[in-house]
Amino acid sequence: ETGVTQTPRHLVMGMTNKKSLKCEQHLGHNAMYWYKQSAKKPLELMFVYSLEERVENNSVPSRFSPECPNSSHLFLHLHTLQPEDSALYLCASSQDNTAYEQYFGPGTRLTVT
Amino acid sequence: AQSVTQLGSHVSVSEGALVLLRCNYSSSVPPYLFWYVQYPNQGLQLLLKYTTGATLVKGINGFEAEFKKSETSFHLTKPSAHMSDAAEYFCAVSVWAAGNKLTFGGGTRVLVKP
Repeated sequence: ETGVTQTPRHLVMGMTNKKSLKCEQHLGHNAMYWYKQSAKKPLELMFVYSLEERVENNSVPSRFSPECPNSSHLFLHLHTLQPEDSALYLCASSQDNTAYEQYFGPGTRLTVT
Repeated sequence: AQSVTQLGSHVSVSEGALVLLRCNYSSSVPPYLFWYVQYPNQGLQLLLKYTTGATLVKGINGFEAEFKKSETSFHLTKPSAHMSDAAEYFCAVSVWAAGNKLTFGGGTRVLVKP
């Protein structure tokens, strides 16, 4: 695998379910990001991790819980989501959290029913 | 805080015609500027970037963009559209003072007609 990978690519979940999104980067980067891409809205930065420490949380509801066990892996744990949380969730990585060039994964298309 | 405005959420061009996507930014300090492309069911791919130096920047797939400080613009062009250029294009800005966080525009979807 090369670049940034995300699994699953598609996920349908009910509002009472618990699921997790996984992101893995094979670039030797030290920073990882979660973005939310909703229809007709600009990309929204959700979380930033640098060297496995969360350095930014952009007022994201607690039903989204990130985890970064090492610099190559990033998870987004989901529970009791709302239909308006349906979106494309994109993971990205960069050399460090001040590097301006980010590399994106293909995204997970999430549908909350 | 910095911001980005992309004029036109949809652009339709004929194959072989000029592609012009407009991007204006707002920043109180010198910005870094980017264009990303997103093909259907894929993530964002960096097309080109401006950091410092030459204001005309060439990217992949024949695209280029020019940084015009006086106009606070970073428009993306391609002389001749190809069917494979059909995608959504995002302009983004970051500034050193804000930790180089990317701020994205709303995106422009390009349709290429045969």
